[in-house]
Amino acid sequence: GESVGLHLPTLSVQEGDNSIINCAYSNSASDYFIWYKQESGKGPQFIIDIRSNMDKRQGQRVTVLLNKTVKHLSLQIAATQPGDSAVYFCAEGGGYNKLIFGAGTRLAVHP
Amino acid sequence: DAGVIQSPRHEVTEMGQEVTLRCKPISGHNSLFWYRQTMMRGLELLIYFNNNVPIDDSGMPEDRFSAKMPNASFSTLKIQPSEPRDSAVYFCASTTTTGTNTEAFFGQGTRLTVV
Repeated sequence: GESVGLHLPTLSVQEGDNSIINCAYSNSASDYFIWYKQESGKGPQFIIDIRSNMDKRQGQRVTVLLNKTVKHLSLQIAATQPGDSAVYFCAEGGGYNKLIFGAGTRLAVHP
Repeated sequence: DAGVIQSPRHEVTEMGQEVTLRCKPISGHNSLFWYRQTMMRGLELLIYFNNNVPIDDSGMPEDRFSAKMPNASFSTLKIQPSEPRDSAVYFCASTTTTGTNTEAFFGQGTRLTVV
C-alpha cells in the first residue's frame, strides 16, 4: 500500500459530548456548502447543506455555521455517538452544482 | 428511489486492459459527477455533466480516461489502457437544486485494482 498520503486531522471525543468539525473554504463565490460523512468502505453520505446567504442551519443533532467573512464552515454534532465515527468532508458548490471537497477530518468517538 | 447506483462494486484487472465503470444517477437529477478517491489525493473531481452534456473534464488525468453520458439515466467512465496507478475508488454523484435546497448524493463507489 501507499506509505505517504493525506494526513487527516483527527478529532477525538467522548461519547455524549458535542463535536465541532471545522473547514476553511477557498472560493468566496461559492453558492452553497455541504457536509458529508464517509464511513469505511462507503460513499460520502449527505448530512446537511447551507446556502451562502445563510449563516446557520440546523438539522437533526447537527448544526452548520457559515462565516463568509473568514471563509469558514463548521459542523456541530450534538451528543456524539459511536455511530458518528467517520471521516467528515465539507464541500463547496457553485455553477452546475459542481462540488469541490476539502481533505476531510476523522472523527473518533470513544465510549 | 434506490439512490445512485454504480457497477461493478469491485474490479480487478491487469495492466493494459480496458476498464468501464458504470453509473445510474437518481432520477430527476440533472448533474452527474465522477470522482476518484485515493489516500494520496483525497476526493478529486474528474469530470461532470449537466443535462447529459460534459461541462468540465479538466480533472481527467490523461487521455486514457474518457466519460460519456448518452442519456439522463446512464454514464460510463472508461480507462484504456489501465495502469496500476489508476487503482482507486471511483465515485459517481448526482445532484439537483430545487429552491433553496441542493441534493447531492453519491453512489457506493467502484474499487478498482489494476495489477
